Amino acid sequence: GAGVSQSPSNKVTEKGKDVELRCDPISGHTALYWYRQSLGQGLEFLIYFQGNSAPDKSGLPSDRFSAERTGGSVSTLTIQRTQQEDSAVYLCASSLRGSNQPQHFGDGTRLSIL
Amino acid sequence: GDSVTQMEGPVTLSEEAFLTINCTYTATGYPSLFWYVQYPGEGLQLLLKATKADDKGSNKGFEATYRKETTSFHLEKGSVQVSDSAVYFCALMGQGGSEKLVFGKGTKLTVNP
Repeated sequence: GAGVSQSPSNKVTEKGKDVELRCDPISGHTALYWYRQSLGQGLEFLIYFQGNSAPDKSGLPSDRFSAERTGGSVSTLTIQRTQQEDSAVYLCASSLRGSNQPQHFGDGTRLSIL
Repeated sequence: GDSVTQMEGPVTLSEEAFLTINCTYTATGYPSLFWYVQYPGEGLQLLLKATKADDKGSNKGFEATYRKETTSFHLEKGSVQVSDSAVYFCALMGQGGSEKLVFGKGTKLTVNP
């Protein structure tokens, strides 16, 4: 079956612009995660959605970052007023519910802020 | 908070050499432990996992044992191949609460023929 799909695969934008990154999880996976991979910080957790529960937003680095998940499926990560330090690869993962369930990752969106 | 420390790379080995990548963690309770691998140009993939003390995870010739007493989860392989060249990430998922992964910084492995 299809894996986690992310779009776009690459995004180049100017500082100060808003960007939207999309994630389409594996069908049937109730949990969805966003992570950020950057040279300086490694892999960092951003936000976690589980079913209809309130999301865990504890990893979002500032109020310029937000995410939503519509209908328990597709998720959009939005970064407002982008800064150069936002340049990174943004990874989405999904899983079945449960702490022992493996997370399946998409190929990521490489975001470059000029 | 929870954290993972893994050996700094890069690591360069000859084919058929023995591999160890050290990983230690700090967490309360009994986290689940994972090794993920990222091959060149590909996304992160789960390599193996262990969910309780003394469990051994294994896959593709790689092994790691969950050692509670030393808070470690070292990755080993007896004979590496060129195709094992990749970046390896140790990760934990804390007990209870959010099911987020906490990653180490990654270790780049290059295997030469």
